[in-house]
Amino acid sequence: AQKITQTQPGMFVQEKEAVTLDCTYDTSDPSYGLFWYKQPSSGEMIFLIYQGSYDQQNATEGRYSLNFQKARKSANLVISASQLGDSAMYFCAMRGMNTGNQFYFGTGTSLTVIP
Amino acid sequence: DTAVSQTPKYLVTQMGNDKSIKCEQNLGHDTMYWYKQDSKKFLKIMFSYNNKELIINETVPNRFSPKSPDKAHLNLHINSLELGDSAVYFCASSPQTLNTEAFFGQGTRLTVV
Repeated sequence: AQKITQTQPGMFVQEKEAVTLDCTYDTSDPSYGLFWYKQPSSGEMIFLIYQGSYDQQNATEGRYSLNFQKARKSANLVISASQLGDSAMYFCAMRGMNTGNQFYFGTGTSLTVIP
Repeated sequence: DTAVSQTPKYLVTQMGNDKSIKCEQNLGHDTMYWYKQDSKKFLKIMFSYNNKELIINETVPNRFSPKSPDKAHLNLHINSLELGDSAVYFCASSPQTLNTEAFFGQGTRLTVV
């Protein structure tokens, strides 16, 4: 079974600063994908970034980057130059080749950007 | 064009009623899902449906049943609604490849009174 752990229920960051949201995972799948989603107060789920388990380089998408440490089973999201619009819930998710294509989510981290 | 659409967006109903939530995707994806997001924002997989194969999360009560008339639709039927069923329900879809994200509908906020 897949297990995703996000240990930070809430985080605060000053506008324009960088912030790291933690995610660790546990899986027996040899191949898997890791995803981050943003859920603003309006409720929709917005895909941010993807990292494959065999990718050699850390994924980046604009101000988002993923600090992937396979041996530690961690996939932390780094948001650079935080903006007020980054205030939202952030979810880490995993999808494994042996788990029926299902996406398993962590409990989420609520990020508040302070002006 | 909305990629994954759910209807209704809001649903208020009394205990004991039976209700359905519809979901449609126009992305040509093979797999569709239903998730429940509770008041603590935890997203829990309820079902996934792929090429007529249904995978059910064992913790889901059998009052919940997915129905897929075709590849583009996965509706959720709920019988004998209970107060604890109040939540936001998300439909999602994805291709089978590991490196592709799930695309979510806008969610349906179900309130049981």
